[in-house]
Amino acid sequence: TQLLEQSPQFLSIQEGENLTVYCNSSSVFSSLQWYRQEPGEGPVLLVTVVTGGEVKKLKRLTFQFGDARKDSSLHITAAQPGDTGLYLCATIQGAQKLVFGQGTRLTINP
Amino acid sequence: NAGVMQNPRHLVRRRGQEARLRCSPMKGHSHVYWYRQLPEEGLKFMVYLQKENIIDESGMPKERFSAEFPKEGPSILRIQQVVRGDSAAYFCASSGGESSTDTQYFGPGTRLTVL
Repeated sequence: TQLLEQSPQFLSIQEGENLTVYCNSSSVFSSLQWYRQEPGEGPVLLVTVVTGGEVKKLKRLTFQFGDARKDSSLHITAAQPGDTGLYLCATIQGAQKLVFGQGTRLTINP
Repeated sequence: NAGVMQNPRHLVRRRGQEARLRCSPMKGHSHVYWYRQLPEEGLKFMVYLQKENIIDESGMPKERFSAEFPKEGPSILRIQQVVRGDSAAYFCASSGGESSTDTQYFGPGTRLTVL
């Protein structure tokens, strides 16, 4: 079983639409990270959330950490083709070990 | 300021051969991590090393896989007698300190194909 469950696994929408992807768990986390990975590249850290209920904005991306620190969401407003990629949530376990969800593969069609 | 560098970017091996994957961390970073990504999956932790020490190898397969991070030179992930199931993208990350809040910066990965 996955520690972090991401949904949906695949999402294909038109440019200009809004979307939300989710990262859920039954465990409580001290922090949670979101990454974006483009084809042929490594993941790039977008944001780290650490406080229950925290909301962070990165241009058109809004990240929220659940009040109970068990889940998180990523909302994209007015999606653009450049937002296409694999979105991964992750948390730190033990001595610096990152544990990732299986990812949401997002495609924005022009 | 160069980021994490990995080479080769693509590696093709036949079953039974050895694969050596190299990772040069960001300048000033002494902590290195290796992750494996199978097709259509997220990344799975393999090993965490500091200079000359393995800190956590809980994600490493028990046989054929080894990793090192010598005092001088890059970190090496070595896979002996490769099998088709080893085909994957292998990513290296580095960080500057021991705090769990230190960001891990990822390299572009080595894509291993076993024929």
